[in-house]
Amino acid sequence: QVQLQESGPGLVKPSETLSLTCSVSGGSLSSSSYYWDWIRQPPGKGLEWIGNIYYSGYADYNPSLKSRATISADPSKSQVSLRLSSVTAADTAVYYCVRSRGCYVEYMGVVTLSGCSMDVWGKGTTVIVSS
Amino acid sequence: EIVLTQSPGILSLSPGERATLSCWASQSLVSTYIAWYQQKPGQAPRLLIDGASSRAKGIPDRFSGSGSGSDFTLTISRLEPEDFAVYYCQQYGRSPRTFGQGTKVEIK
Repeated sequence: QVQLQESGPGLVKPSETLSLTCSVSGGSLSSSSYYWDWIRQPPGKGLEWIGNIYYSGYADYNPSLKSRATISADPSKSQVSLRLSSVTAADTAVYYCVRSRGCYVEYMGVVTLSGCSMDVWGKGTTVIVSS
Repeated sequence: EIVLTQSPGILSLSPGERATLSCWASQSLVSTYIAWYQQKPGQAPRLLIDGASSRAKGIPDRFSGSGSGSDFTLTISRLEPEDFAVYYCQQYGRSPRTFGQGTKVEIK
């Protein structure tokens, strides 16, 4: 049974870089069946997709983050990492590491492999951005 | 980006009643690229429904999903005490993946 555990500093200063690590147990990052996502949830608000990474190293991001996010994976350590630069108070949130299943999606006649429904979630880690 | 709008924002019902939650997409999805999640306070979301209508592993059959195109529905046939929570829809047909703002099902 796959388990995900997020870790990292709970407090980050404005303008600095937020760095989080997700440790994956019971499964392999090298599986072609899954993507590994980061989702965040500001206090009292809804869910926001940050991005994901595939075992090939291909990463996809939410444009709303204006290229501040970087997701990487280290299969030898079974870890997925998130770096978010130039943080502000608006980046205060619970950050979740999530596994999404790979599936084929069609758009305008083109079929591509993509991360789809999110079936395994970490417990989440709270990050506060404050000086 | 595909915007998902959920209604109602809050649904006040009693145990045993039927809950009907709606999710509208700003653009039609070619296929049933919709998932539903349940989130209880202090917990991570849990996958309920995949592909608009397929229950995830271990999900009771009182949960059902339907819909296509731009209009999707999550139905809880008879509310159990543990079903009072916030429910989110999510689309995975286009990047970026997006979520609805959530529907809170509360005890009346």
